[in-house]
Amino acid sequence: EAAVTQSPRSKVAVTGGKVTLSCHQTNNHDYMYWYRQDTGHGLRLIHYSYVADSTEKGDIPDGYKASRPSQENFSLILELASLSQTAVYFCASSEDANTGQLYFGEGSKLTVL
Amino acid sequence: GQGVEQPDNLMSVEGTFARVNCTYSTSGFNGLSWYQQREGHAPVFLSYVVLDGLKDSGHFSTFLSRSNGYSYLLLTELQIKDSASYLCAVRGGNASSGSWQLIFGSGTQLTVMP
Repeated sequence: EAAVTQSPRSKVAVTGGKVTLSCHQTNNHDYMYWYRQDTGHGLRLIHYSYVADSTEKGDIPDGYKASRPSQENFSLILELASLSQTAVYFCASSEDANTGQLYFGEGSKLTVL
Repeated sequence: GQGVEQPDNLMSVEGTFARVNCTYSTSGFNGLSWYQQREGHAPVFLSYVVLDGLKDSGHFSTFLSRSNGYSYLLLTELQIKDSASYLCAVRGGNASSGSWQLIFGSGTQLTVMP
């Protein structure tokens, strides 16, 4: 049974539109992350959170917002989607900040036209 | 700057072995992880190492040399289903401030041939 679930799994958006990607975890983990993956690039951290109602910027936060309304839920928001944000987005959770083990969702493929 | 490098592709033969290399350059080091990612699926955790040497986990083994900024993932008795992308991720950062970040390589696509 998947412990980190993402929705939608696939989405097509128009340039300038708003996109919300949702993530839900049942691991009871404090840490949650949003990464994007592009062909030929590694996973890059966008935002992360270690407690509800608080989010932190990762390596590439520009153009993205995040929301953590509860321990279980973490959303990624693109207020004005752009072509360059076409990518696969992965949500992940971990028990703490120092663990090497992240638990990933199955990914959300976003295409911006 | 900080970086994690992996070869793009690797091919090997069923029943033999494959060694996936990873080199890194980070300010500070607090562990290295390996993940397996099949096409269209999530990365799945395989191994985590902090100390130098070889960590044998059966089908997967992991070697680390911190002084050389080098690690490898060794897969033995390869099966066709081992064909996947293997991601190296290094936790680098600042020990004094406790600010660490996980830096991923772009992955090595392993193809196991019959």
